[in-house]
Amino acid sequence: KAGVTQTPRYLIKTRGQQVTLSCSPISGHRSVSWYQQTPGQGLQFLFEYFSETQRNKGNFPGRFSGRQFSNSRSEMNVSTLELGDSALYLCASAQGSLEKLFFGSGTQLSVL
Amino acid sequence: GESVGLHLPTLSVQEGDNSIINCAYSNSASDYFIWYKQESGKGPQFIIDIRSNMDKRQGQRVTVLLNKTVKHLSLQIAATQPGDSAVYFCAAWENNAGNMLTFGGGTRLMVKP
Repeated sequence: KAGVTQTPRYLIKTRGQQVTLSCSPISGHRSVSWYQQTPGQGLQFLFEYFSETQRNKGNFPGRFSGRQFSNSRSEMNVSTLELGDSALYLCASAQGSLEKLFFGSGTQLSVL
Repeated sequence: GESVGLHLPTLSVQEGDNSIINCAYSNSASDYFIWYKQESGKGPQFIIDIRSNMDKRQGQRVTVLLNKTVKHLSLQIAATQPGDSAVYFCAAWENNAGNMLTFGGGTRLMVKP
C-alpha cells in the first residue's frame, strides 16, 4: 500500500508570501500530524488532525494553520513567511492514537 | 512539558561492532517511546517502540532498553552495518496526548568500513 505522500517536495518562497503544503496519508489512516524539522530545533510538533478536527496543537504562532478533508488528506498553510520558517515540513499518518506514525519524505521549504 | 535529549550528537562505530545510542526524557508521565531512523532526504522511519510497562524489547538486530527510574532509554544495534548510517531519534509521548510526540535532538551514527 502507498506510503504518506507530501507535495511539493521542494519549495522556494520569499518573505511575506504564504505557502500551502499537502499531505496524503496512508489509506485508512485518519490521523495526520505535522512536524517542522530544522537543524537547530530538531523535530517539533505543529498540529494533529483526526477526522477533520484539530486534536492537538504545538507551540507555533497563528501563522501556521492546517486542515483535514473528509478523505483524510491534509494541508498546512503558513502565512507571512519569515526567514526562520525555512525547514523540512514532515507529515505523518496513523490509524488512531498510540499507533506508530508513518512519515512522508517531507517538503523542504526555503524562504529567501 | 516534555523534553527529550540525546547524550551524543555523533557516534562513529566500526562496521560489525555494536552501537548504543542513548536518550533521556524528562516527563515521568511519558508512557510510550519510539526510536526512528532518518536517512538523508527521507522522513523518519519507525525502528522499534516500547511501552512503559516493559523494560526491554528486541527486534531484528535492535534492542531498546527503558529505565523508568532514571528516565533513560537506549537503542542497541547489533553488528552495525554501513546501511545503518543515519540520524537516530528517540521520541516520547504521554497517554491521552493524542499523536503528539516529543522528539530528541538526534544522534548521527556513522559506520566506518
